[in-house]
Amino acid sequence: EVQLVESGGGLVQPGGSLILSCAASGLRFIDAWMSWVRQTPGKGLEWVGRIKSKASGGTTDYAAPVKDRFTISRDDSKNTVYLQMNSLKTDDTAIYYCVKVFILAHLAFDHWGQGALVTVSS
Amino acid sequence: EIVMTQSPDTLSVSPGERATLSCRASQSVSSYLAWYQQKPGQAPRLLIYGASTRATGIPARFSGSGSGTEFTLTISSLQSEDFAVYYCQQYNNWPPYTFGQGTKLEIK
Repeated sequence: EVQLVESGGGLVQPGGSLILSCAASGLRFIDAWMSWVRQTPGKGLEWVGRIKSKASGGTTDYAAPVKDRFTISRDDSKNTVYLQMNSLKTDDTAIYYCVKVFILAHLAFDHWGQGALVTVSS
Repeated sequence: EIVMTQSPDTLSVSPGERATLSCRASQSVSSYLAWYQQKPGQAPRLLIYGASTRATGIPARFSGSGSGTEFTLTISSLQSEDFAVYYCQQYNNWPPYTFGQGTKLEIK
């Protein structure tokens, strides 16, 4: 059974930084493309960014609102993907989900973590 | 960026009846369209990918159709556990992947 477990959420002041971790199990992580998706009551589901497997180049892509502030990385030896969030804004307040990309032919999200709440407030 | 628009925002249906949810893309996404179900306090769950293929373990009462810009999710005979929020998502033109705003399916 695939499990994705996020950690690291919490309260941070505007302008601050936070790192989310996502520990994966039950899958061949080295081959997985991983994404982060966030959810707010006002804006619904919003894709944040993605990291490809190293075999696919290991490259990252980001949504425009977080580009140049957020960084996704992975440690295949630990089956873990990270979301480094800098220069946080109140608009970044959301539940952040770690998600696994289904297959390369269909880039839907077939497994989701339970979510980590990030609150940006003074 | 492709904008996904779902209709209606809320759909009231009685158990045992059929529910039809719509999703429209601002430009063609071919068949690269997924549907998700989300229940309160839970993460979304993949129901349909490729516009019409059910994900593993999804009951046959869920079906998807459409291509290009118009898509439909049909639940043939609503069970109590089907009342939830449903989202569509395109993955044809990325980044970014984009989601619809959701349709809340409630008990009539």
